This record gives sequence, structure tokens and C-alpha cells, in this order.
Amino acid sequence: KNQVEQSPQSLIILEGKNCTLQCNYTVSPFSNLRWYKQDTGRGPVSLTIMTFSENTKSNGRYTATLDADTKQSSLHITASQLSDSASYICVVNSNDYKLSFGAGTTVTVRA
Amino acid sequence: EAGVTQSPTHLIKTRGQQATLRCSPISGHTSVYWYQQALGLGLQFLLWYDEGEERNRGNFPPRFSGRQFPNYSSELNVNALELEDSALYLCASSLQWTYGYTFGSGTRLTVV
Repeated sequence: KNQVEQSPQSLIILEGKNCTLQCNYTVSPFSNLRWYKQDTGRGPVSLTIMTFSENTKSNGRYTATLDADTKQSSLHITASQLSDSASYICVVNSNDYKLSFGAGTTVTVRA
Repeated sequence: EAGVTQSPTHLIKTRGQQATLRCSPISGHTSVYWYQQALGLGLQFLLWYDEGEERNRGNFPPRFSGRQFPNYSSELNVNALELEDSALYLCASSLQWTYGYTFGSGTRLTVV
């Protein structure tokens, strides 16, 4: 069973609307959590990095939250743009030198 | 500053052949990671190299191997290619394993 579960698997939103992606993990011990944006056929690009003590971190229209107690994270996209269409991957770093990847959420923004 | 560079961009091989993929990390980064992303699947950890040593490997057979050179660039070798090895192979580098990772654009390997 994957230690990082993302939901929904995919979603379609209209341009200008907001959306929230979820990431639940069981990885332990926890070091940090990252959200990446991956355009089709390209490498992932880091959006945010959050450590245990951080609850919220923003990067432009992207806002990530982390609840280390419940082992949940979310990525909120505000005022979506067509260029936000991509896969968003949650990555959890444990202290044993391995990264655990979620399967990703595919976001499609339509005009 | 140049990012992580991977070559070739695309690679087509026949079953049973060997494939060699290359990665140049960001200048100053000593850690290089390799991942496989098969169509419709998430990223799967392959190998981690740091300071020229293999530090960890994922659940892949021994025909997946690699090395890191003194300049911290890295090679991923896949022997006895199988059709299911067709995937996007991504390389990432970091200054230290706890720091942010920067990914390359990947090598698309197609096995026919």
C-alpha cells in the first residue's frame, strides 16, 4: 500500500475558480513534505516545502497546509489559470533517505 | 544557473538491449536521484547517489544500475531491456538529501 495517498485522482475546473487537492500520508518518521507541479512530459517543479513545524506556506496562487498530527496536507489553487493544468504530486521525505510519492492529482483547467 | 540536464531526451531500444541514460546535476549539488515514471503510474524511486557512492536503491531488479562520477554527474544503465521498462526516467539533484530537489526534464525510454 502506498504510504502517500492523493485525492482526487483528477479534477476539472473552470478558469478563475479555486480548487483544493488532498494528500494523506503514513510515512514515519516524517522529515518534510513537498508539493510538485508536473507538466506533461516534463520533470516535476517544486511548489512548496513544509517541515514538521510549518502549518501553511504560500507560493503565489498556491497555498499548502500541513497537519502533522493527522498526517494530512492540502494544496489550494486560487483563481486558476489555464497554465495550472498539470499533475500535482505530493512527496513526503522520511528520515531514512527515501522519498515517498503520491500518484498525483491531474488538474484540468477549462476556459 | 543551469538546471538538471538529462540526455538523451528520447531513446528507443529493442527488447534485450541495454540503455544508458545520463544526468548532470546543478553545479554544487552532490546528490543525484533516479526515478521511473511509467505511463499512468506515480514516480518510483530507483537509485540515490551521493558523493560518488550508491546510498540507497528502490525495489528494482539488479539490471537497473548506475554510477556517479567525480564531477557528480550520473549514469543510469538498464540491461536486458523489457517492454515494461518503457517509461519517463527522471533525474533530480539536491545539495543535501534534506534540501529541495530539482528535477530534470527526463528521458523518455521506449522499448519495442
